[in-house]
Amino acid sequence: QVQLHESGPGLVTPSETLSLTCTVSGGSIGDYYWTWIRQPPGKGLEWIGYIFFSGNTNYNPSLKSRVTISLDTSKNQFSLKLSSVTAADTAVYYCARERWLAGIDYWGPGALVTVSS
Amino acid sequence: EIVLTQSPATLSLSPGERAALSCRASQSISSYLAWYQQKPGQAPRLLIYDTSNRATGIPARFSGSGSGTDFTLTISSLEPEDFAVYYCQQRTYQATFGGGTKVEI
Repeated sequence: QVQLHESGPGLVTPSETLSLTCTVSGGSIGDYYWTWIRQPPGKGLEWIGYIFFSGNTNYNPSLKSRVTISLDTSKNQFSLKLSSVTAADTAVYYCARERWLAGIDYWGPGALVTVSS
Repeated sequence: EIVLTQSPATLSLSPGERAALSCRASQSISSYLAWYQQKPGQAPRLLIYDTSNRATGIPARFSGSGSGTDFTLTISSLEPEDFAVYYCQQRTYQATFGGGTKVEI
């Protein structure tokens, strides 16, 4: 059974960089889109972007200038970095696995990241 | 960017009733639409992908239809565990989510 789990600081200072790692267990990194999605408290879902197992990335245009997603196949992990954060970046961050045309089928439990001084 | 508009924002129904949730895209997305269910404090769960295909383990009372810009998620007979928030998601070159429909008792 594939499992994903987010890890990283729960509190980030404004203007700093948010960093999260997702560890994938029970399956390989191959041939999937490894995705980050966030959800501000009480609001809807926002797609941040993905990295394909080949290393190709694709980001939400509204976040593109601040986002980097990377992959470490040796550790079965992928990571999110979001720079110059503000309070508007406070959200639950989900890592997830997507199969092309088959939806996002596995999700991590989510990690709440609060941006505050 | 492709915008997805879900309606209604809230649907108030009783167990046993039929629910029809709408998702409209700002431009054609072919069949590249998925539906998710989210309960409080939980990650979303995939229900339907590619417009009409049920994900593994999803009951037959959930069905999806549509094409182009207009899509519908139908729950044929609501069970108590179906009261939740539902999101549609398009996946063309990039992805976007709709704003969600809350199905409440």
